[in-house]
Amino acid sequence: DTAVSQTPKYLVTQMGNDKSIKCEQNLGHDTMYWYKQDSKKFLKIMFSYNNKELIINETVPNRFSPKSPDKAHLNLHINSLELGDSAVYFCASSQDLSDAYTFGSGTRLTVV
Amino acid sequence: AQKVTQAQTEISVVEKEDVTLDCVYETRDTTYYLFWYKQPPSGELVFLIRRNSFDEQNEISGRYSWNFQKSTSSFNFTITASQVVDSAVYFCALRSGGSNYKLTFGKGTLLTVNP
Repeated sequence: DTAVSQTPKYLVTQMGNDKSIKCEQNLGHDTMYWYKQDSKKFLKIMFSYNNKELIINETVPNRFSPKSPDKAHLNLHINSLELGDSAVYFCASSQDLSDAYTFGSGTRLTVV
Repeated sequence: AQKVTQAQTEISVVEKEDVTLDCVYETRDTTYYLFWYKQPPSGELVFLIRRNSFDEQNEISGRYSWNFQKSTSSFNFTITASQVVDSAVYFCALRSGGSNYKLTFGKGTLLTVNP
């Protein structure tokens, strides 16, 4: 069983469209995250949820909206996609403040 | 604020050479956690090790070893007798209370091991 699963793995879409990426974890972790990895491989946190509550919201355009229906799911919705949104988006989860993150396999988003 | 610096952008070695990847961190917290992750060409992020700030013992796992030195704020990673399968981007990362325990990554070091 995959611990942290993201869908889709690849997403190609046109500028201006709205898209969602789904993430689910079966580890029973309390906290989930979204990270963005740019073309230079730099990993930057976007959001974090703890038990469905938003606890980290970095400087991210408000076109990006996370939604956590329960603690096992954290989805990312992106409105009005722009070329600069092209990146790999990673979902992750952890149990507590000292725990390592377990990452999903990533979603490669390409905006054309 | 916390920061992780991996000064080596790219390293290229020949198989069986030893290689050390440097990591320097900054935090004002006394309790913090350091990590290394590997990202092979397939793209997934693989957890390698976690160290807390109160445990300065060096760790060895097979061909991998880690040297944590609080005096120099460094957490370096050595691969002994490197192999082609070690080719990947390696990330050092830090979690501490001052930044709400989010995981802050360095920019990564691309290691290429040539046959």
